[in-house]
Amino acid sequence: AQSVAQPEDQVNVAEGNPLTVKCTYSVSGNPYLFWYVQYPNRGLQFLLKYITGDNLVKGSYGFEAEFNKSQTSFHLKKPSALVSDSALYFCAVRDRGNAGNMLTFGGGTRLMVKP
Amino acid sequence: DVKVTQSSRYLVKRTGEKVFLECVQDMDHENMFWYRQDPGLGLRLIYFSYDVKMKEKGDIPEGYSVSREKKERFSLILESASTNQTSMYLCASREQGSSYNSPLHFGNGTRLTVT
Repeated sequence: AQSVAQPEDQVNVAEGNPLTVKCTYSVSGNPYLFWYVQYPNRGLQFLLKYITGDNLVKGSYGFEAEFNKSQTSFHLKKPSALVSDSALYFCAVRDRGNAGNMLTFGGGTRLMVKP
Repeated sequence: DVKVTQSSRYLVKRTGEKVFLECVQDMDHENMFWYRQDPGLGLRLIYFSYDVKMKEKGDIPEGYSVSREKKERFSLILESASTNQTSMYLCASREQGSSYNSPLHFGNGTRLTVT
């Protein structure tokens, strides 16, 4: 079985400060990992994904995420937060051996960036 | 840009009613998905479809059915709506690709209230 944990319901950051949104996963094999963002009253938008290769993945809007196999983590980061980054963030995982190719999503983390 | 359109933004239905949620995508994607989103639970997969007339159960199919008669349209049906089906419903599509790692493209969601 595959699972994802986002341990923080909410993260508060001051504008201009670095931000981190945490994600840990559990799969039986090797993972494919994704981050999505949801702005108010909208569907989810894809931010970035890790498939293979470089552990540091860069995505949209200046976000990046680091794959850490030993810690089974895929934390989302940004060097300098913007108020407009305030949204709901979801981590998702798929086991490479998952023949059903279904993604499992975490519970979401609300990011609040204050001016 | 891929556009995934969900026919209703808000719906209010009575217990026992048959409810249809419609989703249309304009990018000729083979794969389509229905999720429900509940606070703290993230997104849970209800049903997905690899192609026309094909469907697979997700994690929580009970009380739901789906229809995919045309490639661009994927309908979610609540046979007899119940109050525990009050939720945000999200439709998504994805280009199939060779490894099923293309990003999901989401609609803006339908917030269903069952009274």
